Amino acid sequence: ETGVTQTPRHLVMGMTNKKSLKCEQHLGHNAMYWYKQSAKKPLELMFVYNFKEQTENNSVPSRFSPECPNSSHLFLHLHTLQPEDSALYLCASSQADDRTYSYEQYFGPGTRLTVT
Amino acid sequence: KQEVTQIPAALSVPEGENLVLNCSFTDSAIYNLQWFRQDPGKGLTSLLLIQSSQREQTSGRLNASLDKSSGRSTLYIAASQPGDSATYLCAVAGSGYALNFGKGTSLLVTP
Repeated sequence: ETGVTQTPRHLVMGMTNKKSLKCEQHLGHNAMYWYKQSAKKPLELMFVYNFKEQTENNSVPSRFSPECPNSSHLFLHLHTLQPEDSALYLCASSQADDRTYSYEQYFGPGTRLTVT
Repeated sequence: KQEVTQIPAALSVPEGENLVLNCSFTDSAIYNLQWFRQDPGKGLTSLLLIQSSQREQTSGRLNASLDKSSGRSTLYIAASQPGDSATYLCAVAGSGYALNFGKGTSLLVTP
């Protein structure tokens, strides 16, 4: 058990659907992250929240919309996605201070998303 | 921009062999380096974290070394087992928010 859970584990959606991915961490961390893992590419950071405030948006298209209601929960809202958005979406958490996120990151099991 | 390279991309060894996975990075101004394991279709499991001031870390049959000045890290796996088969990812933490990942080394240990 990594202490970071993600639901659903698998999701198939059409290009016109709206869905949400959920992440919850039970580790008492104050920073949470969304990463995207596509085939043959390194993991890419999408969003970072520190103390519930979004502090990084890595040029992610607006069809991905993050939400962090508290330090334990993180959502990724999806709408009008494209087939190339099919990937494994990973959530992570860590401790963080004002200037650095250099603490160990703990990952959830991921949501395998397929856009048809 | 930090670039992380892992060599080899894939490796197949018979059970019992000792092996070394390599990771190199272009910017030596790092806070730490993490090694992860990823099983097919699954999330990442943290194996070892080396702070920039450290030279190595050990956990069981795993030993990771860090040479920050030359931008290199190695993950040594002793007496490999079929259960070690997975993709091993190296990730570097710099002054920004993200971990910068390599593409990974896919390891297959055959019985």
